[in-house]
Amino acid sequence: QVQLVQSGAEMKKPGASVKVSCKASGNTVTDYYFHWVRQAPGQGLEWLGRIDRRTGRTDYGKIFQGRVTMTRDSSISTAYMELTRLTSDDTAVYYCARGSGKGAYPLFYGLDVWGQGTTVIVSS
Amino acid sequence: QSVLTQPPSASGTPGQRVTISCSGSRYNIESNTVHWYQQIPGTAPKLLIYSSNQRPSGVPDRFSGSKSGTSASLAISGLQSEDEADYFCAAWDDSLNGVIFGGGTKLTVL
Repeated sequence: QVQLVQSGAEMKKPGASVKVSCKASGNTVTDYYFHWVRQAPGQGLEWLGRIDRRTGRTDYGKIFQGRVTMTRDSSISTAYMELTRLTSDDTAVYYCARGSGKGAYPLFYGLDVWGQGTTVIVSS
Repeated sequence: QSVLTQPPSASGTPGQRVTISCSGSRYNIESNTVHWYQQIPGTAPKLLIYSSNQRPSGVPDRFSGSKSGTSASLAISGLQSEDEADYFCAAWDDSLNGVIFGGGTKLTVL
C-alpha cells in the first residue's frame, strides 16, 4: 500500500516561490503519476498538474503554466512542486496524489492515494 | 469557475437515499471516466468511486456511481451521520488536457 508524505507548512511573502515535496513509501513498483491539487480556504479542489514518476513527463494546468514546475527524484521516490510569483490567491492546502491510467483513459483509477496536505500561506 | 457542475448542497435523513449530480461536456464526462471524492473538513479527499461506477476496496456498497452521456451521479443509500461531508466529482478533460473538478456538494444529514 503506497503512502504519500508531504513536507511541512510554509509561509511566504508575495512574489516569492514555494517548493513542496511528496515522498512515496510502500509498494512503489507500479507506474503512476504524481498529481498536485490545491484547495483554497473554504473553496473546492483545483488541479495544478501531474508528473510521470518513471519518465518525468509533465502536464500542467493551463492557468498555472509558466508558474509551476514539477520534478521528481526516482531514487528516493519523491516528487516536487514549485510555484513561483506567489500572491495571496495562492494561499491554500496543496495535496499530492497518485493517479494512473488504463488504455485510452489518462485517469482510469482516479486519484486513489493522497498526501496529508501542505498548507502554504502567502502574506506580507 | 468549475467546468463540472454540482449542486452546492444536498441533505437527507438517516436511512434515506440521496443522489448528487455532476454535469459536464463531451470533452470530459462523456469521453472519460468519472471519479467521486469524499472530504471531511480538515482532511484530505478520499476516493469513493473510480471509473464512473467502481468502488475501491473498503468503500461501503451504500455508495454507487453512474454515468450517462455528459452527466454522472453519486448515490448514497442508507444515509448515516458519518456521511456528512463534502463530495466532489472529477474527470479528465481532453480539451484542457488535465483533471477538472466539480465545485463540490456539501451533504448534511438531518
